[in-house]
Amino acid sequence: AQRVTQPEKLLSVFKGAPVELKCNYSYSGSPELFWYVQYSRQRLQLLLRHISRESIKGFTADLNKGETSFHLKKPFAQEEDSAMYYCALSGYAGNMLTFGGGTRLMVKP
Amino acid sequence: SQTIHQWPATLVQPVGSPLSLECTVEGTSNPNLYWYRQAAGRGLQLLFYSVGIGQISSEVPQNLSASRPQDRQFILSSKKLLLSDSGFYLCAWEGAASTEAFFGQGTRLTVV
Repeated sequence: AQRVTQPEKLLSVFKGAPVELKCNYSYSGSPELFWYVQYSRQRLQLLLRHISRESIKGFTADLNKGETSFHLKKPFAQEEDSAMYYCALSGYAGNMLTFGGGTRLMVKP
Repeated sequence: SQTIHQWPATLVQPVGSPLSLECTVEGTSNPNLYWYRQAAGRGLQLLFYSVGIGQISSEVPQNLSASRPQDRQFILSSKKLLLSDSGFYLCAWEGAASTEAFFGQGTRLTVV
């Protein structure tokens, strides 16, 4: 079975501070990992995926297979980063997406 | 371009009444379709998953059912709603050759 765990339901930081949203997963094969974001009054949308190794809006995430983690990081948080963030995993069979419980990020001025 | 439509946006239903939420996708064929529920404090929970017409996988035993009568139509139903069915329901699609899911605007269901 595949599972995604986001241990923090709420993360509050000040503007300009570094931020790290934690994500751990369990999956027997080689998963694809994603971060989705939902800004206030907007649709849930893809932020980034591990296979792209890209930086989106200053966010990066590295897949650590040894620790089975895919933490989302940004060196300097901005107020507009305040949103709900979901880590998700897609296993090989059928691309079924499994989401973590989500972390609400609040960036205070 | 591909679009996803989900309706209604909000719904208030009495306990014991039936439910039908509809989701349609345009601009793609043979998508993988999902129904998720976003309950307070519980994040996104996968309810149903479909890889094709008439093919439904249920992830969580519950009071709900799903059907896919057409390639790009996915329906979430209940014969008798419970108070615990209240929540925010999201439909999503994913192309067979893609690993990105696209979400509808969601339906806020309140069972009273």
